[in-house]
Amino acid sequence: QVQVVQSGAEVKKPGSSVKVSCKASGGSFSSYAISWVRQAPGQGLEWMGGIIPIFGTANYAQKFQGRVTITADKSTSTAYMELSSLRSEDTAVYYCARAPRELERPYSYFYMDVWGKGTTVTVSS
Amino acid sequence: DIQMTQSPSSLSASVGDRVTVTCRASQTISSYLNWYQHKPGKAPKLLIYAASSLQSGVPSRFSGSGSGTDFTLTISSLQPEDFATYYCQQSYSTPLTFGPGTKVDIK
Repeated sequence: QVQVVQSGAEVKKPGSSVKVSCKASGGSFSSYAISWVRQAPGQGLEWMGGIIPIFGTANYAQKFQGRVTITADKSTSTAYMELSSLRSEDTAVYYCARAPRELERPYSYFYMDVWGKGTTVTVSS
Repeated sequence: DIQMTQSPSSLSASVGDRVTVTCRASQTISSYLNWYQHKPGKAPKLLIYAASSLQSGVPSRFSGSGSGTDFTLTISSLQPEDFATYYCQQSYSTPLTFGPGTKVDIK
């Protein structure tokens, strides 16, 4: 059964960048999309963007456009999310999740069925 | 972007109660609506996908309905482990968007 393993907690200074990894264990991401979702303290879930590794195409929420880069390494079934120009409001738990695609909509993120445990990113001077 | 709203924002209920959470999309999303359960310190858990399909391993007391713009999550008999926050999420188009959540706590 596929599990998603995320990298560990990070503490960053304002203005710096963070790169979080997400690896499929017990399987691969080959035919799936990968989404990145975050939850800031006291807030709800927020989709940041995603990638479909077999196509290499990434989509980003407008809010993060220009600051986030999502990539994937098919050979290691690992996805990455890099967020730059960090500010205190970026303090959050960052999740990656596997997203099956619909056959009729190959660029879709149908739902998110396998989630990582989350990576806490703290931005503080 | 498609905006998702949920009601109520929170509710108090007792074990055994029937609980209903409503979600509304700002435009039609067909049946591209998913429901998640989220507990503090845990990863979100997929309950329902495509509006009414029960995810494997999820108890049958959870059910979903609706299409177009209006959707409902129902818990037929609330159990102690069901106290959590529930989110709807549309997958009709990117950016994917979540509702603000409904917190279900103990009365």
